[in-house]
Amino acid sequence: QKEVEQDPGPLSVPEGAIVSLNCTYSNSAFQYFMWYRQYSRKGPELLMYTYSSGNKEDGRFTAQVDKSSKYISLFIRDSQPSDSATYLCAISPGLIQGAQKLVFGQGTRLTINP
Amino acid sequence: KAGVTQTPRYLIKTRGQQVTLSCSPISGHRSVSWYQQTPGQGLQFLFEYFSETQRNKGNFPGRFSGRQFSNSRSEMNVSTLELGDSALYLCASSLVPGLAGQETQYFGPGTRLLVL
Repeated sequence: QKEVEQDPGPLSVPEGAIVSLNCTYSNSAFQYFMWYRQYSRKGPELLMYTYSSGNKEDGRFTAQVDKSSKYISLFIRDSQPSDSATYLCAISPGLIQGAQKLVFGQGTRLTINP
Repeated sequence: KAGVTQTPRYLIKTRGQQVTLSCSPISGHRSVSWYQQTPGQGLQFLFEYFSETQRNKGNFPGRFSGRQFSNSRSEMNVSTLELGDSALYLCASSLVPGLAGQETQYFGPGTRLLVL
């Protein structure tokens, strides 16, 4: 079993729709949770970062963490064609096991259709 | 502020050769991590360097190695290349590892390596 599971998609939705992307993880020691966006032939770009359960909002993006269920989500409101990219969840074990050792999900390929 | 830079951007090598990739972190960032990205395995952690010391290592064979210089720039080396080493190699830097909110890693554009 992978430490982080993410449905690779592809996911295709119409412009303006609400998009929900999800990951589950197995190790309760994970402390930091991130979402990255990666456009084709580019490096991943950090979208959201959180280290606690609950919601964190930034513009059209909302990150949600449920540590009790080991489940993280990213919601995109009013989706735009420019949001078309691969979205990767990333989880860090934190200080003890190495905060820099990010464990990534497989990535979900998202297409927003005009 | 300039982002993470990686050189070269593209590289073609043949089996058995070795390759060295370079990464310059964001100014002031002291931690550099390397990742391998392939369609089958996704993004996998290779190793992390801080203050010229390797602090963490992923599950890769000893053919993969790296180092960090006093100016925080880093290089990774792959010896005896295999076809399966074809991948996008990503470097990420962060400000100060271990402090909440400052572990955030910023990625470079990657070096695309093709092994023939």
